[in-house]
Order: sequence, then structure tokens, then C-alpha cells
Amino acid sequence: IAGITQAPTSQILAAGRRMTLRCTQDMRHNAMYWYRQDLGLGLRLIHYSNTAGTTGKGEVPDGYSVSRANTDDFPLTLASAVPSQTSVYFCASSFSGDEDTQYFGPGTRLTVL
Amino acid sequence: GQNIDQPTEMTATEGAIVQINCTYQTSGFNGLFWYQQHAGEAPTFLSYNVLDGLEEKGRFSSFLSRSKGYSYLLLKELQMKDSASYLCAVMDSNYQLIWGAGTKLIIKP
Repeated sequence: IAGITQAPTSQILAAGRRMTLRCTQDMRHNAMYWYRQDLGLGLRLIHYSNTAGTTGKGEVPDGYSVSRANTDDFPLTLASAVPSQTSVYFCASSFSGDEDTQYFGPGTRLTVL
Repeated sequence: GQNIDQPTEMTATEGAIVQINCTYQTSGFNGLFWYQQHAGEAPTFLSYNVLDGLEEKGRFSSFLSRSKGYSYLLLKELQMKDSASYLCAVMDSNYQLIWGAGTKLIIKP
């Protein structure tokens, strides 16, 4: 692994189903982030984690949950998907949670029908 | 509220120079970032400004005026591969990035 990986690359999901998007980084970065990107809007922060064992809510956390059991992994779970969660999801990481540059994974394109 | 404004789309000619503007109103300021995003790909880091002035990095330069809440990204000697969206983002007082919607740059031969 080099950098940040995300899985799956894309997914079509029925409304009401549970889904976990996976994110793994091998840069030993302390901070990790989940964003969603929708046409015509800027990236919006869903949840973040400044260090393993801690998480925080971003701008649009409703309907999503995260965990940070270790430094490398930061999964995002949709407990019961709704069509408004159709989006491209990007995971990012940075060395720390302050003004350090964030580096992005390749993204997951999720469609909820 | 917090707001980042940048033009939706710009068109320029190969070999020319283009300036992409970004204005912001945020709760606090801990730096301004520019990212490049090709269609269907992840954003990639271009530049970071925290002090007023111009930062030059090869064909790309970024300028910041904190008093005016203004930044621009200058791209010189445009190449076809520069066709992409350019995202402006400001780190607020909580060290969270507030993102503009992006400027789609179209390069014509």
C-alpha cells in the first residue's frame, strides 16, 4: 500500500441497507477525515479523527458513523442508506489535525436507489 | 456563516496565463489551500498560504491577502493537462477545511 486506499471503488445500494466504506492509510498520519463531494458544492466534512481512539463530527454527520480503532483504518458506516447519501466519498489524512496538508484517497462513488 | 467563493468555470488558451480568484469569509483563519482535481479523480495538493504575499512553485503561484479575504492561483504556460477543477479551501479556527465549490478550467488549443 502506498498512501491512502479506499474500498469499494463504486457501489450501488438499495435504500435502507447498511454499508461500510473502508479507508486505510500507510503514512502513519495521526488525523483522518471523511468528506462527501456533490455536484456544484464544495467538499463537506462528515466526520474526522485527530488521533486513534477519538472521533469528531463535521458539517454533515447525520446518518453516518465512524470508528478509529487504530492509526491506519477509518471506516465510514451508513446505518440505513437513503437516496440523499448518493455522492462521491473521499477519505483524507494529514500528519496532525492542525494546518498540515490533507492527502486524499481515490474516492468511492456511492449510489443509493 | 462561512463562505468560499470562486468562479464556476473559466476558459483559457494553451500557452497562456490564467488567474483563478477565491474570496472567503470564515470563522478564523489558519491558512488557505489550493488543490487540483481532474475529473473522476481525487483532489491533489498544490499550494498553501498562511502569510500575505506570493508563493511560487514552478508554473503555479498562489497569492494571499488576509486583510481582503482574497487569494488567487496563477497558472503560467498553460498545458492541456492543466484542464481540471481547482479547489480553494480555508482552514478555520477549529482547524477544519472549508471548501469552495471549485473552478473548472477548460484549456483550448
